[in-house]
Amino acid sequence: EAQVTQNPRYLITVTGKKLTVTCSQNMNHEYMSWYRQDPGLGLRQIYYSMNVEVTDKGDVPEGYKVSRKEKRNFPLILESPSPNQTSLYFCASSFVSGSMSNTEAFFGQGTRLTVV
Amino acid sequence: AQTVTQSQPEMSVQEAETVTLSCTYDTSESDYYLFWYKQPPSRQMILVIRQEAYKQQNATENRFSVNFQKAAKSFSLKISDSQLGDAAMYFCAYEETSGSRLTFGEGTQLTVNP
Repeated sequence: EAQVTQNPRYLITVTGKKLTVTCSQNMNHEYMSWYRQDPGLGLRQIYYSMNVEVTDKGDVPEGYKVSRKEKRNFPLILESPSPNQTSLYFCASSFVSGSMSNTEAFFGQGTRLTVV
Repeated sequence: AQTVTQSQPEMSVQEAETVTLSCTYDTSESDYYLFWYKQPPSRQMILVIRQEAYKQQNATENRFSVNFQKAAKSFSLKISDSQLGDAAMYFCAYEETSGSRLTFGEGTQLTVNP
């Protein structure tokens, strides 16, 4: 089954304690990205990756890190979480180019992060 | 930068009635993709319908259809014969053809009343 898997789905942590949210896809997609969802703001892109070892900042990258060592994995790292990073996070993947049907984004189940 | 605006934070509709959700966007590109996503309480992002900008014909998927007005940069979603299962947050999204980055609107929370 084609899917994007995020873990964990729920996480409560304390300010300053490093954490990693994992994301894995099994569709051989080149493109992967992270979004955060906040009420009234929709989804905003944090970081994206066009392929292995290629990453770039999205709209709200401050306080986050990513890495793309393997094509299937794209972890999101919060080295020193703060309460303003409390949010719902989504990982998504797709092919880079082609017809519209090829570029459909597949989303993970979401990770609800609370930083206290 | 592209922007997407959904001016209706909340909408409600009676079961079996029709409702239209609004979306406007801003871009200097001539070709792009537009999407409507549904997010039920389960939080899963579900693709409802998509439109390619170069196609004049409005996309339709069963009870869901769009009114795409390219010159006005408007992309509304019409839900016909609304069902209780349609209750969800709906997001309008824009994507350039040159890449896979999605720009989302703020979302519209749809309530379906029995």
